[in-house]
Amino acid sequence: DAMVIQNPRYQVTQFGKPVTLSCSQTLNHNVMYWYQQKSSQAPKLLFHYYDKDFNNEADTPDNFQSRRPNTSFCFLDIRSPGLGDAAMYLCATSRAGGAYNEQFFGPGTRLTVL
Amino acid sequence: DQQVKQNSPSLSVQEGRISILNCDYTNSMFDYFLWYKKYPAEGPTFLISISSIKDKNEDGRFTVFLNKSAKHLSLHIVPSQPGDSAVYFCAVQAYNFNKFYFGSGTKLNVKP
Repeated sequence: DAMVIQNPRYQVTQFGKPVTLSCSQTLNHNVMYWYQQKSSQAPKLLFHYYDKDFNNEADTPDNFQSRRPNTSFCFLDIRSPGLGDAAMYLCATSRAGGAYNEQFFGPGTRLTVL
Repeated sequence: DQQVKQNSPSLSVQEGRISILNCDYTNSMFDYFLWYKKYPAEGPTFLISISSIKDKNEDGRFTVFLNKSAKHLSLHIVPSQPGDSAVYFCAVQAYNFNKFYFGSGTKLNVKP
């Protein structure tokens, strides 16, 4: 089954200790997204890749970085996690624009910062 | 600046009755509208969508209505089933843009 996979499902890190979250997809979609979702809030787009073209949201802190080494994989790096970065991180994919396409989401990674 | 609002954080409905979930958006440039369903410990899954050239789209028990002049969409579930209990997010997109904006979700509880 084509899908979006996120690893790990749960991640615990210490304040200030770098952490990397992983996303992979078997859908061969051009676009990959990272969202941050805090309890009872809307998923907040951090950035997205259109192929290798990186698109950062204006209000995404510099603490958050991303890499997309190939079509299938995308990583979210949090360089110095703070307590406020504890959240669910969702990865999603879609086919490129030019038509109406829905997003496909992974199950998310729950990040805890101690 | 919230582009999409779901003003009801929760909704409780009896099994077999209609569930109506509402969503408002702010910008008329949006022309594609989606509903996602999310169960605990899972990512959102696509449910149904509508483009701005239509005002209604049906898929089985699910119908989405779009009122462009009011910048409002709604999701109707008839009849509601206990398995429909989940958080429902609406999302909007502008044509040829790869960005989606989400509402904060409505938690639906369908009571047996």
